[in-house]
Amino acid sequence: NAGVTQTPKFQVLKTGQSMTLQCAQDMNHEYMSWYRQDPGMGLRLIHYSVGAGITDQGEVPNGYNVSRSTTEDFPLRLLSAAPSQTSVYFCASSLQVSGNTIYFGEGSWLTVV
Amino acid sequence: EDQVTQSPEALRLQEGESSSLNCSYTVSGLRGLFWYRQDPGKGPEFLFTLYSAGEEKEKERLKATLTKKESFLHITAPKPEDSATYLCAVQANANSGGSNYKLTFGKGTLLTVNP
Repeated sequence: NAGVTQTPKFQVLKTGQSMTLQCAQDMNHEYMSWYRQDPGMGLRLIHYSVGAGITDQGEVPNGYNVSRSTTEDFPLRLLSAAPSQTSVYFCASSLQVSGNTIYFGEGSWLTVV
Repeated sequence: EDQVTQSPEALRLQEGESSSLNCSYTVSGLRGLFWYRQDPGKGPEFLFTLYSAGEEKEKERLKATLTKKESFLHITAPKPEDSATYLCAVQANANSGGSNYKLTFGKGTLLTVNP
């Protein structure tokens, strides 16, 4: 029972580099999302998807891109990494967009130097 | 704008010393209030969802309650393994014009239970 799986667990990037954080779920959930967690702040929504082929922006979308080609996968792309993107990133999923339990992955620790 | 405030920021208890964590919220129509537990280096682990004022849910030593303005997480006779950060989040109701596609989180309460 894998749930929500994120890779990599840890990554160090240089400013200006690009990379993709992977997220996969095996629960046939329609809704998937990406949050970032920074010290002293609550988790904040970056992007979300309510189904394959549908994505939308959350609270802090700048510098990030997403796609949803399958129900299972929801990768997060950093286009040109900046030190301000140093954070812990969590992927989450739920059966539907509203009113259902939202499950989180184990997190991806990203440092941009 | 939806807001969640958790208090206290940190709480230190002795094993067996019961207490409560508070989550105050403002939201444009509540769809659900969520409690999560987060251990260091881990993702949030789901505990409870409460949907309407007066609702209560229990799991082992934890009991969550909900009013129209706040939620409490009561911890009865805590053990050291209950030490974690407890997160509260709200989801708005789209029918009330809220953003139902996201959770708005508080900053969390760091609970430490000493043996």
